Amino acid sequence: AQTVTQSQPEMSVQEAETVTLSCTYDTSESDYYLFWYKQPPSRQMILVIRQEAYKQQNATENRFSVNFQKAAKSFSLKISDSQLGDAAMYFCAYGLGGSQGNLIFGKGTKLSVKP
Amino acid sequence: EAGVTQFPSHSVIEKGQTVTLRCDPISGHDNLYWYRRVMGKEIKFLLHFVKESKQDESGMPNNRFLAERTGGTYSTLKVQPAELEDSGVYFCASSQAGGIEQYFGPGTRLTVT
Repeated sequence: AQTVTQSQPEMSVQEAETVTLSCTYDTSESDYYLFWYKQPPSRQMILVIRQEAYKQQNATENRFSVNFQKAAKSFSLKISDSQLGDAAMYFCAYGLGGSQGNLIFGKGTKLSVKP
Repeated sequence: EAGVTQFPSHSVIEKGQTVTLRCDPISGHDNLYWYRRVMGKEIKFLLHFVKESKQDESGMPNNRFLAERTGGTYSTLKVQPAELEDSGVYFCASSQAGGIEQYFGPGTRLTVT
């Protein structure tokens, strides 16, 4: 069965600094998708970034980038130039897409940003 | 474009009572998902609709939970009778046909006392 593990329940970063959130997963599939979702205190969860397993190039979205290591089954999120608005719960998720659309989530990492 | 909406935002009920949660997906999204997060644990998948049909309900905890999606539009999730362990945040998400990205609603926080 597929599992997603986020080993850091809480993280803290100074404003303008860089922080990396860890995520590992377990799967026997070769084609899948990985996601980082952000849930600010207001509770609406939004997609931050996604990675297709068949792509070797790491995904990047502005200040957010991932380090995808397929062999190691690792998918970390790097946030550069952290801003106060980045404070949130961050969830790593795995999915196969298609008819098996359900996502498997990690427990989440609570990120605090210090001014 | 309106996002995924859920109603109510918070519900407090007593054990043994019935509660119905509602989710309105983004217009035109065929796929609708229900997830639940119990305090301190992972967000867990409950079920997946494609239009009005249940594609996958493997995550439904037991027969006290009934989900419907009338006409392939909004969906309801009924819990009857509610138990203490049903407390948590219930999320709804939707995606386009063939789409990978799921758009989440704000969730309904259910407290069973």
